[in-house]
Amino acid sequence: AQKITQTQPGMFVQEKEAVTLDCTYDTSDQSYGLFWYKQPSSGEMIFLIYQGSYDEQNATEGRYSLNFQKARKSANLVISASQLGDSAMYFCAMSSSGGYQKVTFGIGTKLQVIP
Amino acid sequence: SAVISQKPSRDICQRGTSLTIQCQVDSQVTMMFWYRQQPGQSLTLIATANQGSEATYESGFVIDKFPISRPNLTFSTLTVSNMSPEDSSIYLCSVADNYNSPLHFGNGTRLTVT
Repeated sequence: AQKITQTQPGMFVQEKEAVTLDCTYDTSDQSYGLFWYKQPSSGEMIFLIYQGSYDEQNATEGRYSLNFQKARKSANLVISASQLGDSAMYFCAMSSSGGYQKVTFGIGTKLQVIP
Repeated sequence: SAVISQKPSRDICQRGTSLTIQCQVDSQVTMMFWYRQQPGQSLTLIATANQGSEATYESGFVIDKFPISRPNLTFSTLTVSNMSPEDSSIYLCSVADNYNSPLHFGNGTRLTVT
């Protein structure tokens, strides 16, 4: 069974600073995908970044980067140059290979950006 | 990525009634899913909507309570039946192009049952 652990229920960051949101995972699959989603107070789920288990380089998307450490089973999200609009819930998620896609989500981290 | 339209965006319903949520995608997608997010919680997969056949439900979810239709590759509905206050949640439709592509979500339906 898959499991995603996010140990930071809430984080604060100063505007323009960088912040790291932690995520560890557990799976017996060799092939899997790791994702981060942002959920503003409006409730929509916004896809941010994806890392495949066989990707050797860390994924980057604009101000988002995923610090993937396979041996440690961690997939931390780094947000650089934080903006007020980054204040939201952030969910780490994992998909497994197999007959169809099943995605397991962590419990989320609430990020608040301080002006 | 696909544009996903979900409606209604929110509703307040009385106990014992049913609500049908629609999910429309602007392109054909292989996989469609329905998730539930209870207040202050993470997302839980309800079922996979299969085109032309019965949905595949996750443990703890049954067809009588959450009937799902998917008549084609761009549309699906989820019905929340015989609602109780415990069904108050955000319900989210999601789609994926293939097994390892990221899920994309609709804006969700915020349901309150009184």
